[in-house]
Amino acid sequence: DGGITQSPKYLFRKEGQNVTLSCEQNLNHDAMYWYRQDPGQGLRLIYYSQIVNDFQKGDIAEGYSVSREKKESFPLTVTSAQKNPTAFYLCASREATSYNEQFFGPGTRLTVL
Amino acid sequence: DAKTTQPPSMDCAEGRAANLPCNHSTISGNEYVYWYRQIHSQGPQYIIHGLKNNETNEMASLIITEDRKSSTLILPHATLRDTAVYYCMVLSGSARQLTFGSGTQLTVLP
Repeated sequence: DGGITQSPKYLFRKEGQNVTLSCEQNLNHDAMYWYRQDPGQGLRLIYYSQIVNDFQKGDIAEGYSVSREKKESFPLTVTSAQKNPTAFYLCASREATSYNEQFFGPGTRLTVL
Repeated sequence: DAKTTQPPSMDCAEGRAANLPCNHSTISGNEYVYWYRQIHSQGPQYIIHGLKNNETNEMASLIITEDRKSSTLILPHATLRDTAVYYCMVLSGSARQLTFGSGTQLTVLP
């Protein structure tokens, strides 16, 4: 089945440690996105990538980094510079021609202790 | 992208139609109306979108007023599994990102 995989579903890290969240899609989509969601809030865009080896900052990119070395993969690193990293992280992708019909993964809930 | 206004919460009886309103009075001519929903602790799910004509798919219907300043998402026969936060957005075809507001928490009651 085609879809987006995020792993793990729950992740715990100590303060000051970098952590990388995985996002893989087998939908052959060109564009991929990372969003952050805090309790009771809507989603906020962290980074997005329209094509391989290219990505742009979203609204809240500080303290995060990404790479897009393969079409199907778009990992997100939460660095120690991110002041409040505990949140629900969602990855999404879309076809190049589908404008804004994004498909979302199940999310990773990151807790920094 | 235009701003949208939605009620924070709504209830609906199971089996009845759920009508979720959205105001977007500053929408411009090239902006589409999109609806997504998010069930608790899951990723959002695309529902439907439209420009100016009413649209229907297997999940819902979208009714856009003639002046395009507001729209209504209709779930014709709501089930308990439709309990979710519903997000209305207006976006141009060239928009690079979705803009999520606070949405409407729809609770379907048995």
